[in-house]
Amino acid sequence: SQKIEQNSEALNIQEGKTATLTCNYTNYSPAYLQWYRQDPGRGPVFLLLIRENEKEKRKERLKVTFDTTLKQSLFHITASQPADSATYLCALGSGGYNKLIFGAGTRLAVHP
Amino acid sequence: GAGVSQSPRYKVAKRGQDVALRCDPISGHVSLFWYQQALGQGPEFLTYFQNEAQLDKSGLPSDRFFAERPEGSVSTLKIQRTQQEDSAVYLCASSLVQAGGNEKLFFGSGTQLSVL
Repeated sequence: SQKIEQNSEALNIQEGKTATLTCNYTNYSPAYLQWYRQDPGRGPVFLLLIRENEKEKRKERLKVTFDTTLKQSLFHITASQPADSATYLCALGSGGYNKLIFGAGTRLAVHP
Repeated sequence: GAGVSQSPRYKVAKRGQDVALRCDPISGHVSLFWYQQALGQGPEFLTYFQNEAQLDKSGLPSDRFFAERPEGSVSTLKIQRTQQEDSAVYLCASSLVQAGGNEKLFFGSGTQLSVL
């Protein structure tokens, strides 16, 4: 069955450092991958989308890579800030009507 | 409003009660999704609407779960004879396009359902 794995343990980093989150998947060939941020008590908020034919995408301090051979996506936040502390979800889709399959998320804590 | 609105924000139900959860998507959004999120887990797909048509209900866990979107805007997720395992956050999301995929989803804040 399809499986998406994200770092199950919380990631703790110091302010100003780069945070790197991993999303691995098996038994799936996604056409695109999305990253969302979720704060406690709130719904997920869209951050970035990357398609299967793209290697890398950037938006301000965010960078996403997508390796369909390794079946892995890496999500980077450079110059991290305490306000970046949240849970980050990766989600895979295969076209059609955008039915997304989500990972369990990784909790990021950025310490001053 | 500017975003997806869900109500109620919290719902406590006694086991066996029926509940109805409401979602107001962003105006003009064709696609509407319901997801279920257990504590510490990612959202899990329940069902999808394109306008008023329910095109995919493969994620509904049992026939106690029923969703509708009669006029292609507001949607209601109904759970009959609630059970403790139904306790979760129910998220609604909408997106603009109806085909082609890869559009971002706009989520509401969810309804937290607790079944006692």
